[in-house]
Amino acid sequence: EPEVTQTPSHQVTQMGQEVILRCVPISNHLYFYWYRQILGQKVEFLVSFYNNEISEKSEIFDDQFSVERPDGSNFTLKIRSTKLEDSAMYFCASSDSGYQPQHFGDGTRLSIL
Amino acid sequence: DQQVKQNSPSLSVQEGRISILNCDYTNSMFDYFLWYKKYPAEGPTFLISISSIKDKNEDGRFTVFLNKSAKHLSLHIVPSQPGDSAVYFCAASGSGGSQGNLIFGKGTKLSVKP
Repeated sequence: EPEVTQTPSHQVTQMGQEVILRCVPISNHLYFYWYRQILGQKVEFLVSFYNNEISEKSEIFDDQFSVERPDGSNFTLKIRSTKLEDSAMYFCASSDSGYQPQHFGDGTRLSIL
Repeated sequence: DQQVKQNSPSLSVQEGRISILNCDYTNSMFDYFLWYKKYPAEGPTFLISISSIKDKNEDGRFTVFLNKSAKHLSLHIVPSQPGDSAVYFCAASGSGGSQGNLIFGKGTKLSVKP
């Protein structure tokens, strides 16, 4: 069964450094998402992406965050200057059009020191 | 602001019995609801969904019921198996299905005892 893959599984970064989290969505999917889960808290929506542009973003997704689909397969989340509070599990998801479910990757654990 | 609430943090059930997981929501604009299962160190795995035009959807051992007037949905697992032990998340969307962002509950940890 096709799946969403995320790399790396764990990223440790110094505060203030830039970090790029990578995702390969399911190949025929059209909608792409990033979510995060801070330890002990809910899974929270960050951003959705369709037709090469952001379709929706949350309050969390400020100017420090950006997303890109640099080629036909990868979908990346960049955090320009990381803060301690950015430490979380980051999940990528993708979906087909219409009333189809979002499928999630296994996440990247981001630890900011 | 908890738009999606799962009030039971944990549930323990005997193998072979029914597991019932509950979820309440406050936003009447939600029109698509999903249940996900999550094992440690893995991402959420889609289980079953329901749109607001239905009140029941069934897939094998899993059935989701939606009561719009009560803003309540539930997931029934029959019969429960030890492999069903995981955290179950309820999620809702109000933007026309999967295109919209999902609002998640805090999850219910299900333990199925052999």
